Amino acid sequence: SQTIHQWPATLVQPVGSPLSLECTVEGTSNPNLYWYRQAAGRGLQLLFYSVGIGQISSEVPQNLSASRPQDRQFILSSKKLLLSDSGFYLCAWSVWDGNTEAFFGQGTRLTVV
Amino acid sequence: GQQVMQIPQYQHVQEGEDFTTYCNSSTTLSNIQWYKQRPGGHPVFLIQLVKSGEVKKQKRLTFQFGEAKKNSSLHITATQTTDVGTYFCAGGVYNFNKFYFGSGTKLNVKP
Repeated sequence: SQTIHQWPATLVQPVGSPLSLECTVEGTSNPNLYWYRQAAGRGLQLLFYSVGIGQISSEVPQNLSASRPQDRQFILSSKKLLLSDSGFYLCAWSVWDGNTEAFFGQGTRLTVV
Repeated sequence: GQQVMQIPQYQHVQEGEDFTTYCNSSTTLSNIQWYKQRPGGHPVFLIQLVKSGEVKKQKRLTFQFGEAKKNSSLHITATQTTDVGTYFCAGGVYNFNKFYFGSGTKLNVKP
């Protein structure tokens, strides 16, 4: 069966520090991978999605970047965090045909102080 | 750009009352999905609708996809405290492997 791992679960980082959140998927090949951000009490904003290794599409201009160094690994990064980067970050995957459900990781709650 | 609007933002009901949340897209969708997020948790898939005018039921939950594939609704009959959470719709876009989520409707059920 397929599983998705996302870590860490919580993170407190100072403003200006770097960020690296990692997400890995097991039990499937060539998944679509997504990073979403959810501000407190708000909806899910699509940040990045990837349909293959090295292929990253950015949805909104921001202080973040994403990389997919391996088929089932998706990394969200920042060189210098801003206060506005605080939120709940969710990684998700779906099969290659986008007409199917997304499976979410447990999420990382990031607080920038 | 692609937008999926969802209303209401919040809904407080007495246990046993019905609840409905609505989604509208600015463009035609390839499919609509519904997710539930419990407080502190991550979104969990409930159902997917693909066909124009499709209606699906899961026990007390009824999901509809509009004829134009631009709107959808989730209706819960006789809510229970276990229904508490935020319900999200997510619209799939033709030829793109991505989903756009609505802003969610947070449901609170008073016992």
